[in-house]
Amino acid sequence: GQQVMQIPQYQHVQEGEDFTTYCNSSTTLSNIQWYKQRPGGHPVFLIQLVKSGEVKKQKRLTFQFGEAKKNSSLHITATQTTDVGTYFCAGRRLGSGNTGKLIFGQGTTLQVKP
Amino acid sequence: EPEVTQTPSHQVTQMGQEVILRCVPISNHLYFYWYRQILGQKVEFLVSFYNNEISEKSEIFDDQFSVERPDGSNFTLKIRSTKLEDSAMYFCASSGQGARGYTFGSGTRLTVV
Repeated sequence: GQQVMQIPQYQHVQEGEDFTTYCNSSTTLSNIQWYKQRPGGHPVFLIQLVKSGEVKKQKRLTFQFGEAKKNSSLHITATQTTDVGTYFCAGRRLGSGNTGKLIFGQGTTLQVKP
Repeated sequence: EPEVTQTPSHQVTQMGQEVILRCVPISNHLYFYWYRQILGQKVEFLVSFYNNEISEKSEIFDDQFSVERPDGSNFTLKIRSTKLEDSAMYFCASSGQGARGYTFGSGTRLTVV
């Protein structure tokens, strides 16, 4: 079945350093979404990428969707303590439309030392 | 900001007992989902629901699980005979028409003892 893998599992950075998490799917995706889960909280939708090679920015966060639509990345510039949490990518298999099930990666947990 | 509401926030149950987890999705959303997350692990898909029927389900969602939208506002997940390994955080989510992200509820922490 479809698998979505994320690396690294954990990342500790000093405040102000950059952070990147990578997401790879075993199958081609129709779109990919990113979520953030604060400790003890629930996943909160950040963004969706649809087009091959798409790049989107939200302030210090940059999201990329690979050309083959099988991988994605999230890069945070100059991390802050408010960035702490687990970042999940979640993908829909190509052909499943806009409402097919989202399969989540294992998540990357970011710790930021002040 | 509209919210997905889940009750209870924490449920403790004896192994073999039935539990019903309740969710009120966002009112104009059409697609509803249940996911679960075992502590510290990935968010696992259980089931999706659209137009009053299940549209997809995972291999986890066996005969012990069922979903219902009894009254047009609530969306429930029933586990008929709970097992120890059903202990997890259960998240309800909903989404609207078109390509949008899911709005998740705050979850129900189910503990089976």
